[in-house]
Amino acid sequence: DGGITQSPKYLFRKEGQNVTLSCEQNLNHDAMYWYRQDPGQGLRLIYYSQIVNDFQKGDIAEGYSVSREKKESFPLTVTSAQKNPTAFYLCASSIAKVGYTFGSGTRLTVV
Amino acid sequence: AQKVTQAQTEISVVEKEDVTLDCVYETRDTTYYLFWYKQPPSGELVFLIRRNSFDEQNEISGRYSWNFQKSTSSFNFTITASQVVDSAVYFCALSEAPHRGSTLGRLYFGRGTQLTVWP
Repeated sequence: DGGITQSPKYLFRKEGQNVTLSCEQNLNHDAMYWYRQDPGQGLRLIYYSQIVNDFQKGDIAEGYSVSREKKESFPLTVTSAQKNPTAFYLCASSIAKVGYTFGSGTRLTVV
Repeated sequence: AQKVTQAQTEISVVEKEDVTLDCVYETRDTTYYLFWYKQPPSGELVFLIRRNSFDEQNEISGRYSWNFQKSTSSFNFTITASQVVDSAVYFCALSEAPHRGSTLGRLYFGRGTQLTVWP
């Protein structure tokens, strides 16, 4: 079955470390997105990509980086420059005739 | 700029009551999509509905109904005869018109409404 896979489901990071969240889709969607969710804040866009080898910053891109080398994959790296990375991260992909498909999320905690 | 406002942060009702979740949006686009998602405690987003800006017909799906009014830029969601299983955070969202023919733009989310249904 087609879908989006995010891994890991839970991730713990020590302060000062970079970590990479994985997002893979087999839906043949061109566009992919990363959102961050904090309690009471809704979902805020970090980065998005509408085509391979191209991506744009969202509203809260500082301290994050992405790559889009393959259509199926859109990994998100949380760098040490992100001062408050503890949050729930959701990846999504889209195609106009279907809409958006979301992964099940990764909960990142800084320890 | 696009913006979605869900003014109700939390709503509590008793089972079997009807409840309406409000959503007001702002956009300069003439073509856009509106969405509602449900987020249970597990965290995944469950798709409920997508509405094209050119289609103002109200929609009913079982106990769920949606009222789309372009004149007031609102897309409200009503649950009839609420049940405990309806307890979740509900998000309203707006997307830009499709880019490059087949790709959708980014989604703009409201802050969500936490609905608690008590038995």
